[in-house]
Amino acid sequence: KAGVTQTPRYLIKTRGQQVTLSCSPISGHRSVSWYQQTPGQGLQFLFEYFSETQRNKGNFPGRFSGRQFSNSRSEMNVSTLELGDSALYLCASSLGAEANYGYTFGSGTRLTVV
Amino acid sequence: SQKIEQNSEALNIQEGKTATLTCNYTNYSPAYLQWYRQDPGRGPVFLLLIRENEKEKRKERLKVTFDTTLKQSLFHITASQPADSATYLCALGNTGFQKLVFGTGTRLLVSP
Repeated sequence: KAGVTQTPRYLIKTRGQQVTLSCSPISGHRSVSWYQQTPGQGLQFLFEYFSETQRNKGNFPGRFSGRQFSNSRSEMNVSTLELGDSALYLCASSLGAEANYGYTFGSGTRLTVV
Repeated sequence: SQKIEQNSEALNIQEGKTATLTCNYTNYSPAYLQWYRQDPGRGPVFLLLIRENEKEKRKERLKVTFDTTLKQSLFHITASQPADSATYLCALGNTGFQKLVFGTGTRLLVSP
């Protein structure tokens, strides 16, 4: 079966712009989580959606937002980009309502802010 | 605050030996712990999950232990191969939540 698909794979944006990243989970997976990965901080939890509802949010500013559609596909948006937002953004889907089934991650979107 | 420590230095071992990676945590009482493998430029790949009431879990050449008293998990790869070279991440979670807290990972290098 198809894995988690993230688009685009690479993105270069200018400070102050906004960006939208997309994630298609594994078919049948209703939970989608987003993580930011940087060399210094590792993987940091952004937010999680289950059946179109945001259930949990990490400690990120309000410039980071997301949503989930009825087909479980998810998008995250970052507005007013800052240089520090440069990172690998990872989407993960999970079969169950909890993370104790293990995540399936996508390959990520590499965002570079210049 | 919650803290997960994995050895930031790379672990270099020879092919055929057993690799042992450590994950220590503080200020946390996880219901389960997971291990992931990550290759450069790719997303992490789920390997194993162990629950708080389990002491040990095995899957093929992989073995994970979980000591909630020591607040430590050990991850073993037996008969290691160069293809096992990657960064290994541990992650902690609790029931009722989808959020995982990840360690920063340990890079394993297996030389032929």
